[in-house]
Amino acid sequence: EAGVTQSPTHLIKTRGQQATLRCSPISGHTSVYWYQQALGLGLQFLLWYDEGEERNRGNFPPRFSGRQFPNYSSELNVNALELEDSALYLCASSLAWTGGAGTEAFFGQGTRLTVV
Amino acid sequence: GQNIDQPTEMTATEGAIVQINCTYQTSGFNGLFWYQQHAGEAPTFLSYNVLDGLEEKGRFSSFFSRSKGYSYLLLKELQMKDSASYLCAVRDISQAGTALIFGKGTTLSVSS
Repeated sequence: EAGVTQSPTHLIKTRGQQATLRCSPISGHTSVYWYQQALGLGLQFLLWYDEGEERNRGNFPPRFSGRQFPNYSSELNVNALELEDSALYLCASSLAWTGGAGTEAFFGQGTRLTVV
Repeated sequence: GQNIDQPTEMTATEGAIVQINCTYQTSGFNGLFWYQQHAGEAPTFLSYNVLDGLEEKGRFSSFFSRSKGYSYLLLKELQMKDSASYLCAVRDISQAGTALIFGKGTTLSVSS
């Protein structure tokens, strides 16, 4: 069974441009999470999508946005790129949470975004 | 909000035992997770605790105390391949729904 897949692996953009990152969850998973992992800061929660809706977002400006498609895949868009947006962007998926165990998140390999 | 604390770095030698501590403060706690992340790779799930006590999985064990807001990951019979970052995360349904909130991670270096 395929795991979480992300594309592209690497992305280089210039300041002010827009970046689009893609994620395909594990089959059967309806929840998709996006995280930013910048050097020295750990994983920062960005966005959570479930059943096509944005359910929650972390403490990031509105230029970080995304969507979830009917097949549960997801896109993360970052507008007006800044140098500080350079980081590893990780996508994770999980089953819908029912309040118990078995809803751990599985991560993709990430997209390394470099803003120059 | 959430506050998750764990040591930044730890070192140990092959064959030894190491304990990585994690303390947290959240308002809507519903589960504590440990992940392992090798450099340049995706985090991989290690353990889940929501009830007090010890969960054992081979060489790795995780202990949890909800009243103390505390967990530790115990790694036994350390191997060189255990050199990685270990991430403590909590599910805080009052803040981020089912998303996990991560600490900054503990970088473990295992030497021969």
